[in-house]
Amino acid sequence: DTGVSQDPRHKITKRGQNVTFRCDPISEHNRLYWYRQTLGQGPEFLTYFQNEAQLEKSRLLSDRFSAERPKGSFSTLEIQRTEQGDSAMYLCASSFGTNTGELFFGEGSRLTVL
Amino acid sequence: AQKITQTQPGMFVQEKEAVTLDCTYDTSDQSYGLFWYKQPSSGEMIFLIYQGSYDEQNATEGRYSLNFQKARKSANLVISASQLGDSAMYFCAMREIGSNYKLTFGKGTLLTVNP
Repeated sequence: DTGVSQDPRHKITKRGQNVTFRCDPISEHNRLYWYRQTLGQGPEFLTYFQNEAQLEKSRLLSDRFSAERPKGSFSTLEIQRTEQGDSAMYLCASSFGTNTGELFFGEGSRLTVL
Repeated sequence: AQKITQTQPGMFVQEKEAVTLDCTYDTSDQSYGLFWYKQPSSGEMIFLIYQGSYDEQNATEGRYSLNFQKARKSANLVISASQLGDSAMYFCAMREIGSNYKLTFGKGTLLTVNP
């Protein structure tokens, strides 16, 4: 399978714990995005990487959130001291410099904070 | 202000009929792109169709077409000959110039296709 893959697909954790999500983009894609989607809402942008450089962060990305993309390949999104409000689907997407520039999404990592 | 507005939380359509999902957008850019994605219950966002702001023809991809009315700032998705597998959430999204190619999504419309 050569699509965007995310791991884990589901994570249940207790409030206050740290969690980390991983995203493996399509191999030739230099752009990588993290989005958060809560129930009944569309995806909301969190952060953007071009290769290994994190070029944009949303105000939604509080200081408890950190994202990395070492070597410009896979990316991780870590949430420290989780809160119940962090419960959401975390979607990763990647793209390349095509004319349309559509984003290719993974199946998401669903986080439940108890 | 909402950049993407989808006013239909839910829509129902009979199998084999056509359905239109509404989307209006707000931007002051002259160059922008409009997208529609489908999200089945599995969660993955599936790209359906793209319309560039300078494209004079409405985009079509198989059973999907985009009714682009630039002056009205609307980009409605038309699905012809609906199938049961079309039941899903549908999201309209916009990419503005200088946005690092990120997409801004609407709240979505839940489409249910009845047999």
